[in-house]
Amino acid sequence: GQNIDQPTEMTATEGAIVQINCTYQTSGFNGLFWYQQHAGEAPTFLSYNVLDGLEEKGRFSSFLSRSKGYSYLLLKELQMKDSASYLCAVREGSNYQLIWGAGTKLIIKP
Amino acid sequence: GAVVSQHPSRVICKSGTSVKIECRSLDFQATTMFWYRQFPKQSLMLMATSNEGSKATYEQGVEKDKFLINHASLTLSTLTVTSAHPEDSSFYICSGLVHGEQFFGPGTRLTVL
Repeated sequence: GQNIDQPTEMTATEGAIVQINCTYQTSGFNGLFWYQQHAGEAPTFLSYNVLDGLEEKGRFSSFLSRSKGYSYLLLKELQMKDSASYLCAVREGSNYQLIWGAGTKLIIKP
Repeated sequence: GAVVSQHPSRVICKSGTSVKIECRSLDFQATTMFWYRQFPKQSLMLMATSNEGSKATYEQGVEKDKFLINHASLTLSTLTVTSAHPEDSSFYICSGLVHGEQFFGPGTRLTVL
């Protein structure tokens, strides 16, 4: 079956680094997405991985290991505005539908 | 990135009435749009895939007669919640597909009294 797991909630300190993990079990794989969602707002795109390795984009980086069914989102130099939910989503096939994880609520403390 | 708008952003209605939500792609043509529903503290749940000029494809458990989707043009898809009930209160989000990436609208908060 389809399954995407991420921690429900994490807490980190302003200025620090946090890693949010995502593991997936899907019948196919055609890319993994990370989205940020602030409360009451729609998700915004952060990153996309389809090949193994690390993709870096400013303070955010995303890593993928297809053999392990594993990804992580790394946030550096945390800011208070980074407090949000982070959603991991997998595209199984070519129809562009995404399978969504439940999201990780990240709480940043001063 | 591509811009998607939704209207209205918030709507409160009485039980039994119908509500229409519009999703527009402002700077691109979207042959495919997705409609999601999100309950508090839960992730996005795909309701249906809307294809321009053809019938929508509904996910299992979603009543197509209750959630009417019309995608009559390349820039507009509408979701009508018919005979809304309090359990339909939720955050409804649409997205447009551009080169394999989904761009989300700002969402519509529906509250049914």
